[in-house]
Amino acid sequence: DVVMTQSPLSLPVTLGQPASISCRSSQSLVDSDGDTYLNWFQQRPGQSPRRLIYKVSNRDSGVPDRFSGSGSGTDFTLEISRVEAEDVGVYYCMQGTHWPPWTFGQGTKVEIK
Amino acid sequence: EVQLVESGGGLVQSGGSLRLSCAASGFLFSAYWMHWVRHSPGEGLLWVARITSDGSSTMYADSVKGRFTISRDNAKNTLYLQMNSLRAEDTAVYYCTKSFEYWGQGTLVTVSS
Repeated sequence: DVVMTQSPLSLPVTLGQPASISCRSSQSLVDSDGDTYLNWFQQRPGQSPRRLIYKVSNRDSGVPDRFSGSGSGTDFTLEISRVEAEDVGVYYCMQGTHWPPWTFGQGTKVEIK
Repeated sequence: EVQLVESGGGLVQSGGSLRLSCAASGFLFSAYWMHWVRHSPGEGLLWVARITSDGSSTMYADSVKGRFTISRDNAKNTLYLQMNSLRAEDTAVYYCTKSFEYWGQGTLVTVSS
């Protein structure tokens, strides 16, 4: 199984400041079709997961442009350019290249300082 | 508008059974793979099961294989998860998801030991 490792697991941030979350996979996520199936999800307190980013860097509809995804191979990053109060929650990366199983990272809890 | 509405969760004793349902609307249900994913405080997000669009192929996480069964009724636009031999560690909020892009609100399953 592909293991997804996120860091940090806890991220206190100041409103208006940038934030960055790292996600590393135990093997390359480049698929035989050339795409890389790495997603990012946000889970606000008491809510369902919401997909923010698919295939490394594509923002889902309605996702603010302060969220961006980057990376390749085994190393990926989610960046928030200027953290807002509504960004508090847990963020997960997930790989969809080597399945089953589809695997998630442990989650990174973003909170306001 | 895509909507996924789970039901069927509740409190059950260890060794018991539950059947979860997920009513889908707003898209051509019969054309898409569907998944169940669960969330618990200790485990984070865990992929549970997948079914193909016509129901001919299913896949399961190792932790539920042989105990859980995913199925669908395309005429009723409904996804199911039959959960048998439930254990305390199956306690979680269970979500149905269309391609990880759209998620339901979740249904809580609590297994008492």
